[in-house]
Amino acid sequence: DSGVTQTPKHLITATGQRVTLRCSPRSGDLSVYWYQQSLDQGLQFLIQYYNGEERAKGNILERFSAQQFPDLHSELNLSSLELGDSALYFCASSAITSSGNTIYFGEGSWLTVV
Amino acid sequence: QKEVEQDPGPLSVPEGAIVSLNCTYSNSAFQYFMWYRQYSRKGPELLMYTYSSGNKEDGRFTAQVDKSSKYISLFIRDSQPSDSATYLCALGGQFYFGTGTSLTVIP
Repeated sequence: DSGVTQTPKHLITATGQRVTLRCSPRSGDLSVYWYQQSLDQGLQFLIQYYNGEERAKGNILERFSAQQFPDLHSELNLSSLELGDSALYFCASSAITSSGNTIYFGEGSWLTVV
Repeated sequence: QKEVEQDPGPLSVPEGAIVSLNCTYSNSAFQYFMWYRQYSRKGPELLMYTYSSGNKEDGRFTAQVDKSSKYISLFIRDSQPSDSATYLCALGGQFYFGTGTSLTVIP
């Protein structure tokens, strides 16, 4: 168990709909990352927040948005969903360890768009 | 051109074999190189972390970085069935991941 909690674990929704994925980082971790993993694209970095502020942006679509709240939990909002958005969405938080900046991944949220 | 390329496999080896997993990358500015292991339907977990060129060993695992060739490798000695997983390389502050190589170690 990495200590990063994601909900829901599975989600099935229709095209055009909007969903919210939730993430609680490990206790004390200030950084939260969101990734999308699909079979054809691999693990794609979407966005990073640090203590409530956006720190880095990757291949995140305009239909997607995220935020990190004062209690450090984060939400990823996906709107106008398309079939191609079906993927496993990971949240991760990071800490400085003896191995450097170590990222700890949650179990992921499986999104199926039908 | 993708930032990092990784052969997706799948790779199937007998127990006890030496496994070599590789990635190539395009940006010579990358300084941090990581290998993650991902079991089916689980989140990736950090396996090895190296900085700049050279080798790093941890038990049966050795990570190797050749910055001149922009090539990184992970070697697994005496592979075990429990090593069966997908291995992903990661670079650039963990913003760039390879697509992963699926490894199966047959008892």
